[in-house]
Amino acid sequence: QQQVRQSPQSLTVWEGETAILNCSYEDSTFDYFPWYWQFPRESPALLIAIRPVSNKKEDGRFTIFFNKREKKLSLHITDSQPGDSATYFCAASDQGGRALIFGTGTTVSVSP
Amino acid sequence: GPKVLQIPSHQIIDMGQMVTLNCDPVSNHLYFYWYKQILGQQMEFLVNFYNGKVMEKSKLFKDQFSVERPDGSYFTLKIQPTALEDSAVYFCASSPTGQGYEQYFGPGTRLTVL
Repeated sequence: QQQVRQSPQSLTVWEGETAILNCSYEDSTFDYFPWYWQFPRESPALLIAIRPVSNKKEDGRFTIFFNKREKKLSLHITDSQPGDSATYFCAASDQGGRALIFGTGTTVSVSP
Repeated sequence: GPKVLQIPSHQIIDMGQMVTLNCDPVSNHLYFYWYKQILGQQMEFLVNFYNGKVMEKSKLFKDQFSVERPDGSYFTLKIQPTALEDSAVYFCASSPTGQGYEQYFGPGTRLTVL
């Protein structure tokens, strides 16, 4: 059973639009949710992360919205740029030093 | 940001041979991890390592896999013997402390088993 789910599988937006990526999880003990982005043939890089003490985390054009009751979160990319085109992975962990459980990813394409 | 290094970047071997993947984690990090990524799929956790010991491992971490970090040198993943299904990109990651949720990934080693 997939513990971390992502949707949609792929997403195309125009430059300047807002891209919305969804993530849900099963295990209520998860308390750390990072988003990584990965460009082709490169390693995943930490983009932004949230802990359940907050329901929103913002970093520039990237915002995580978190709903603990529904076990859902979303990543909003405002004013999307062609350089944002990548695969975005939602992940979860329940403790420092423990495994990150990754979702299957959302591939975002931003058209100029 | 912090840099994790991996050697080699690409390794091609015949099925049944042994392979060792090397990782140079960030210098002050204490937790080390290996993840496996098959082309087009997500990273899947294999194992984590702290204070000279395996802390947890997944079902993907078969008996043919082993990890070690002798005397603070490279953190290594050894596969002996290799199988065709071991072909993947293997990412090493490290994080700073017990509260260090942030994991930083290396560039990966692409392993091809023929």
